[in-house]
Amino acid sequence: SQTIHQWPATLVQPVGSPLSLECTVEGTSNPNLYWYRQAAGRGLQLLFYSVGIGQISSEVPQNLSASRPQDRQFILSSKKLLLSDSGFYLCASGRRDSGNGYTFGSGTRLTVV
Amino acid sequence: AQSVAQPEDQVNVAEGNPLTVKCTYSVSGNPYLFWYVQYPNRGLQFLLKYITGDNLVKGSYGFEAEFNKSQTSFHLKKPSALVSDSALYFCAVRSMDSNYQLIWGAGTKLIIKP
Repeated sequence: SQTIHQWPATLVQPVGSPLSLECTVEGTSNPNLYWYRQAAGRGLQLLFYSVGIGQISSEVPQNLSASRPQDRQFILSSKKLLLSDSGFYLCASGRRDSGNGYTFGSGTRLTVV
Repeated sequence: AQSVAQPEDQVNVAEGNPLTVKCTYSVSGNPYLFWYVQYPNRGLQFLLKYITGDNLVKGSYGFEAEFNKSQTSFHLKKPSALVSDSALYFCAVRSMDSNYQLIWGAGTKLIIKP
């Protein structure tokens, strides 16, 4: 079964500082990978998804970017954080050829101050 | 357009009573449907799924869901609620595009009162 490692669990960053959140996947190969943001404990906003190394699709124009340097590594970045970037960030993995859903990481709580 | 609706922001149930969390969907073809649960400051956990077969699907923690094709619904149910069932619940449907993405409902907060 798949395991998603996501770190750090919590992060407090000043406005204007850079960001790097990392997600790694175990137990599968060539997964689809996703970054979601969740505000105020409610709905999921899809930020980026990737179907392969170096392939990134952005769903929402914003201050963030994503990269996939390796098959099972997905990184969320920002050069300069905004207050509005605060939220709960979730990484997820899914298989295209499977009837299974996604496996989620444990999330990162980002507070921009 | 493909979509999932969870019409209730919050559902309140007394402990020991049956619970239902509603979900309706809109997708072409035969749907793959999912329920996930999220506890505070945690990732989402898979509860159950429907792909084909029996319309009543059983999942983790005593939850079940009933697929109703004519009503395009996939309501989550449990015969007897526990306080520990209090959490945020998400319904999702697999999209029919080639990238196999899940389309998510907005989530329903379930509160079980002792």
